[in-house]
Amino acid sequence: KAGVTQTPRYLIKTRGQQVTLSCSPISGHRSVSWYQQTPGQGLQFLFEYFSETQRNKGNFPGRFSGRQFSNSRSEMNVSTLELGDSALYLCASSLAAGFPTYEQYFGPGTRLTVT
Amino acid sequence: EDKVVQSPLSLVVHEGDTVTLNCSYEVTNFRSLLWYKQEKKAPTFLFMLTSSGIEKKSGRLSSILDKKELSSILNITATQTGDSAIYLCAGFNAGNMLTFGGGTRLMVKP
Repeated sequence: KAGVTQTPRYLIKTRGQQVTLSCSPISGHRSVSWYQQTPGQGLQFLFEYFSETQRNKGNFPGRFSGRQFSNSRSEMNVSTLELGDSALYLCASSLAAGFPTYEQYFGPGTRLTVT
Repeated sequence: EDKVVQSPLSLVVHEGDTVTLNCSYEVTNFRSLLWYKQEKKAPTFLFMLTSSGIEKKSGRLSSILDKKELSSILNITATQTGDSAIYLCAGFNAGNMLTFGGGTRLMVKP
C-alpha cells in the first residue's frame, strides 16, 4: 500500500509570494491533517479536512488556507509569504476523523524556505 | 489552550541501556495520548493510549498512561543505535485536535 505522498519535497520562495503544497493520502483514507514543524515551535497543527470539509483549524493567520478534493487529496496554500513561514510542512492521513480511529500516518513533508 | 510538555529535551545513552521518556499534558476534554518516532522526516506512529494504567507494548518499546497524574511514559529497553530519533507525544482532545510536545531527542551510542 503506498504511503502518504507530498509534493514538492523542497521549495524556495521569496517573501511576498504565495505557495501551494499538495498531499495525497493513503488510499482509502478520508481525513488529511496539515502541520507546520519548526525548530522553535515544534509540530503545530494547521488544519484538518474530512470529506472535503475543514473540520478543525489551528491558531494560524488567514494567510494559511487549504482544501480537500473529492478523491481526498488535499492542498494547502500560504499567501504573502514571510520569512517565519520557513518550515517543514507535514501532512498526515487517517481512515476517518476523530477518536478512536485517529492513527495518523505522516508523509515525508515539504521543506519550504522563504528568502 | 492545550499544552503538552516532554522531558528530558535530549538524552544520550549507550546501546543496551534502558531509557524512560516523559510526557505531561494539559488537554481539555482529553481523549487519548499518542507517541510518535521521528527519524528523518515523517513521524511514525508508535502507540495510542486511552485508558489509564494499561500498558501498550511493541517489542522493546512500551508505554503507559496515568490519567490521574496527566502523564505518560515511553520505555525503551535494550536500546539500539536504530532507536536514535526524536520521540514525540501528542494529546488528542474531543475537538479532534492533536497538540504535540516539543519532543525528546534520543541518541544511542554504540
